[in-house]
Amino acid sequence: SQELEQSPQSLIVQEGKNLTINCTSSKTLYGLYWYKQKYGEGLIFLMMLQKGGEEKSHEKITAKLDEKKQQSSLHITASQPSHAGIYLCGADSLYGGSQGNLIFGKGTKLSVKP
Amino acid sequence: SAVISQKPSRDICQRGTSLTIQCQVDSQVTMMFWYRQQPGQSLTLIATANQGSEATYESGFVIDKFPISRPNLTFSTLTVSNMSPEDSSIYLCSVLGQGGGYTFGSGTRLTVV
Repeated sequence: SQELEQSPQSLIVQEGKNLTINCTSSKTLYGLYWYKQKYGEGLIFLMMLQKGGEEKSHEKITAKLDEKKQQSSLHITASQPSHAGIYLCGADSLYGGSQGNLIFGKGTKLSVKP
Repeated sequence: SAVISQKPSRDICQRGTSLTIQCQVDSQVTMMFWYRQQPGQSLTLIATANQGSEATYESGFVIDKFPISRPNLTFSTLTVSNMSPEDSSIYLCSVLGQGGGYTFGSGTRLTVV
């Protein structure tokens, strides 16, 4: 079965600093999703990546999927307290399709010190 | 993308009782998913609910403990039955939207005392 490993598990940064979160898959990724979760709440969709080498940005967050489609990174530029939360990567569970559920990494807890 | 209304947002329940969680979607969707997130853990799929058929449960989850209803293409419920403190978790529903992305409800934070 597919597994996703996220690193680091937790991260504390000073406001204004850049940071990167990684998500590595044991199998080729055919759909990689990034979500943000505030403590005790639901998941907020950030970005979806499907093609090798794909890169997407929204505001100060950039997500990339490597050419081999086994690793993704989430980069936050000039972090703000509003970026604090748990970042989860998720992958389509079915080979080559998006008709199944998502398998998730264990998450990265981000704290931003003002 | 689809918008999901999930209720209740949180509840504190006595052990031995049951709680039903509802998810209402603003558009028709074929598949709905129910996840559990135990404290400090990531999300684990409980079951997949399709309209007109019985839900498909993942290993470790059974219908008697987590009965699911899916009466139409916009609504589903998950019941957590005969609760124990180990059932204290966040429960989330999710749908696959037409654009290919997965949308999640806001979650139900359950505490069993």
